[in-house]
Parts: sequence; structure tokens; C-alpha cells
Amino acid sequence: GQQVMQIPQYQHVQEGEDFTTYCNSSTTLSNIQWYKQRPGGHPVFLIQLVKSGEVKKQKRLTFQFGEAKKNSSLHITATQTTDVGTYFCAGQESNYQLIWGAGTKLIIKP
Amino acid sequence: SQTIHQWPATLVQPVGSPLSLECTVEGTSNPNLYWYRQAAGRGLQLLFYSVGIGQISSEVPQNLSASRPQDRQFILSSKKLLLSDSGFYLCAWSPSSIQPQHFGDGTRLSIL
Repeated sequence: GQQVMQIPQYQHVQEGEDFTTYCNSSTTLSNIQWYKQRPGGHPVFLIQLVKSGEVKKQKRLTFQFGEAKKNSSLHITATQTTDVGTYFCAGQESNYQLIWGAGTKLIIKP
Repeated sequence: SQTIHQWPATLVQPVGSPLSLECTVEGTSNPNLYWYRQAAGRGLQLLFYSVGIGQISSEVPQNLSASRPQDRQFILSSKKLLLSDSGFYLCAWSPSSIQPQHFGDGTRLSIL
């Protein structure tokens, strides 16, 4: 069955450093979605990528969808304390349920 | 605008007791509805989803069940809770199966 692997599980960074999380699917996706879950909160939708090779930016966040539509990444430039949380990718084949990655927890070192 | 309400926010139940969690959506019609469970520090496990009234698909066999008695109401139930049912239960909705999902605030369920 379809699987979405997300790495790393955790990433510790100093405030101001960059952060990246990666997702890889075993199958070609029709779209991939990214969500952020703050500690104690619920997942919040960030973005959806649909096109091969697509790159989208939201302020300091850059989202990429691979050419083969099997992988995706989220890069945060110059992390801030407000970025703390767990970032999930969720991939979807056409008209099938979302398959969620396990999440990457962003931790800011004190 | 659309809103999703989920209650209660926290719940402590003894093993073997029944469960009923309710989720309602406002501001949209015929949404797709979802129940997820999240163990502490883990990812999201899809339990049930529904594309319409009375239509429930189960993703994981267990002692939980779901019902959709009205278009914008989704209920998660159990007749007898197990210790392993502890977790963070999240309800979500989406306009269609290919559009993003929007989550409620969740219910933290502890089984004693």
C-alpha cells in the first residue's frame, strides 16, 4: 500500500538557524499537503502542492514538490520561536485518502 | 465562514465504560468528515471517514464505531473502552476528498 515516509523525526535548531523536513512516497501522488501542529494544538493546514516541480513560498517557509511527484520538502529560513511545533506532510493519490507522514518536530534550543 | 466544533476538550473515563464524542460543522453542506486518533508524540491515525449521511468507512478494526446521523454531525462511540483507547481524538472536515482538511480542537481521552 501507499506509504509516506517523513524525516527527520526531530530537529533541534538554534533560533535563527534553518530547518528542513522531507517526505517521500512509495507511489506517485496527485497532491501533497503540509500541516503544522503547535504543542497541545490541532493540525493546521499550511499549503497544498499539485504540480510537478512546484515551489511555493509563505514568508520564511518554502515548499517543494518533486518532479516525479513522489517527494516533497518544507524549508524554514531563520527559525523563530513561533515556528515550534510538529510539521506533517500528507500525500494523496487521486481520490484516495490522505496518507500522513509521521511528522517532524521542530525544537528550538534554549 | 466554516467552523468545526468538537467536545468535550478533555475526558477521563474508566476502563469498560462507554464513549461518545461529538463533532459538528457549520457553514458548509455535505462535507467529508473524519475521525483521527493521535497517540502522544506520534502521527495521525485515520479511524473513520464519511462522505455523506449514514456513509461510514472504517480504516482500522477496533472497538470504536462512528455514525453520521445528520449532514454536519459526526459521532465517535464505543460500548466498552480499553486502556489502549487513550489518546488525542481529532475530528476534521473537508469540502471534498482532494481538498485540505480542517481540524477541530480535539478531545484528550484518558482511560483509567
